[in-house]
Amino acid sequence: EAGVAQSPRYKIIEKRQSVAFWCNPISGHATLYWYQQILGQGPKLLIQFQNNGVVDDSQLPKDRFSAERLKGVDSTLKIQPAKLEDSAVYLCASSPHTGAMANEKLFFGSGTQLSVL
Amino acid sequence: DAKTTQPPSMDCAEGRAANLPCNHSTISGNEYVYWYRQIHSQGPQYIIHGLKNNETNEMASLIITEDRKSSTLILPHATLRDTAVYYCIVRVGKLVFGAGTILRVKS
Repeated sequence: EAGVAQSPRYKIIEKRQSVAFWCNPISGHATLYWYQQILGQGPKLLIQFQNNGVVDDSQLPKDRFSAERLKGVDSTLKIQPAKLEDSAVYLCASSPHTGAMANEKLFFGSGTQLSVL
Repeated sequence: DAKTTQPPSMDCAEGRAANLPCNHSTISGNEYVYWYRQIHSQGPQYIIHGLKNNETNEMASLIITEDRKSSTLILPHATLRDTAVYYCIVRVGKLVFGAGTILRVKS
């Protein structure tokens, strides 16, 4: 079974530039998450989708971050404009479950490491 | 959400059992205990979860005390590939990751 695919693996940009990350979850997984992991910390949830609808985006800095999952399959996360503090690993995860069961077991991709200079 | 306390780091000899503790004294009755681990340069990997009873799967065993205020993740025969950050999470709903325990398995 193929895992969660993310690209690119690494990205280096200058502050105030824009950047986009792509995620393809495991086939058939209804729930998709984006997490941000700053060096030395645990992952922090940015946004959760169930199919193509947003379940939780309370921690997403909406002035600069946006995410979409148009057809309920793959997803993109965008930062515009980037700040130095956005340097982190951006992890995508998926779950075969929905609702209260969604968080029971998440499958994570390897992430995109973003460096903002 | 219940707060969890884990030691920042632990060492374990290869082939021995690794016992990773987690304190969650404010856990409520409907909160599950989850364990994930994160190997360097990879995303977190689910290990096991439980509510009240002890649980075992192909990766590990989870021992939850009777009062549910603490738990222990046991890797029965640690290998070098088990070197990782181990996260104990107590939650109903979305998973909130703390800093975890860095487990170093040494030969």
